[in-house]
Amino acid sequence: AQKVTQAQTEISVVEKEDVTLDCVYETRDTTYYLFWYKQPPSGELVFLIRRNSFDEQNEISGRYSWNFQKSTSSFNFTITASQVVDSAVYFCALSEAPNFGNEKLTFGTGTRLTIIP
Amino acid sequence: DVKVTQSSRYLVKRTGEKVFLECVQDMDHENMFWYRQDPGLGLRLIYFSYDVKMKEKGDIPEGYSVSREKKERFSLILESASTNQTSMYLCASRTSGMSYNEQFFGPGTRLTVL
Repeated sequence: AQKVTQAQTEISVVEKEDVTLDCVYETRDTTYYLFWYKQPPSGELVFLIRRNSFDEQNEISGRYSWNFQKSTSSFNFTITASQVVDSAVYFCALSEAPNFGNEKLTFGTGTRLTIIP
Repeated sequence: DVKVTQSSRYLVKRTGEKVFLECVQDMDHENMFWYRQDPGLGLRLIYFSYDVKMKEKGDIPEGYSVSREKKERFSLILESASTNQTSMYLCASRTSGMSYNEQFFGPGTRLTVL
């Protein structure tokens, strides 16, 4: 069975500080995808990134960066120079191996990030 | 842009009522999903549909049923609402393909069962 663990339930940092959200996953599949979603106070989940299991390159998008390490089964998310607009709940998710389009996502329990002005 | 809409943002129902939650997507996506979100539990999959009239149970299907008569619409049905079904319900859709494409989410329906 697949599992995603986000051990940090809540994090608060002062604006402009860097913050890292941890994600650890478990799967027996050799092919899988990892995702991060952001859920702002409005409630709608917003897709941030997808990474497949064969691509361990780190990715940077503006102030956001992601560190994928298969050796530790982790897919951590760092926000640099945090801003108040980054306040949200962040979810990490793991897909099943490809199965003719019927794959499901397994979500972590989320990390609530609060940026203090 | 993909748009997923849900019929209500907030809903209050009585125990024992039959409740319909509607979800519509406008991007011709094959797959649609219903989740419930509860504090400390994250998102849990109730049902999903990979094509019209097709449905599969998710992790917590008990007490729910679904209907997908048209490709763009996926309905979640609570046959007899109970207080433990008070939750945030999220609908999502995605296109199927060789790789696992991201899901697009609606704004959610916060259901309270009294």
